[in-house]
Amino acid sequence: AQSVSQHNHHVILSEAASLELGCNYSYGGTVNLFWYVQYPGQHLQLLLKYFSGDPLVKGIKGFEAEFIKSKFSFNLRKPSVQWSDTAEYFCAVTNTGTASKLTFGTGTRLQVTL
Amino acid sequence: ETGVTQSPTHLIKTRGQQVTLRCSSQSGHNTVSWYQQALGQGPQFIFQYYREEENGRGNFPPRFSGLQFPNYSSELNVNALELDDSALYLCASSVQGGYGYTFGSGTRLTVV
Repeated sequence: AQSVSQHNHHVILSEAASLELGCNYSYGGTVNLFWYVQYPGQHLQLLLKYFSGDPLVKGIKGFEAEFIKSKFSFNLRKPSVQWSDTAEYFCAVTNTGTASKLTFGTGTRLQVTL
Repeated sequence: ETGVTQSPTHLIKTRGQQVTLRCSSQSGHNTVSWYQQALGQGPQFIFQYYREEENGRGNFPPRFSGLQFPNYSSELNVNALELDDSALYLCASSVQGGYGYTFGSGTRLTVV
């Protein structure tokens, strides 16, 4: 069964620092990859997604992610974080043909300090 | 367009009781999925409903059941509540075969 690993459980950064959050999935084949953000008390929001094509994907709020098939990875990056980026970040995967099920990682809590 | 609405937002139940959680899907979406998010964990897929039938299920026991109505809204029912059922329950709507999931804000269930 598919599984997703997020290696950083809690990250603390100062404003303007660069961010990279790791995400690895276990099962090969054709995958669709997502990063979601959950601000305190709010619903999960889609940051970006990868289905096919250019492995460097740009999302909302200045976030981007790179799909590296050989490493089963889909790391999230942002060159300069803001205090408002404080939130929980989840990587998720579906396998093509199983659109019914998102498999999530355990999440990374990002805290941005002023 | 309206988003996904879940009710209630918070709920406290006693072990052994039964609970029903409700979800109204986003306009234009015909598929509803339910997820359980325990504290400190990522959401875990419970099941999905399409055309009023269960269309995929995760590793959850039969005491977790659901319904989908003709207007695509949905209910999640949990019988014989256990302490470990305490979690945030998320509903997500989508179009069948698509990958555009819209999540609700969730129902926080506490079992005491």
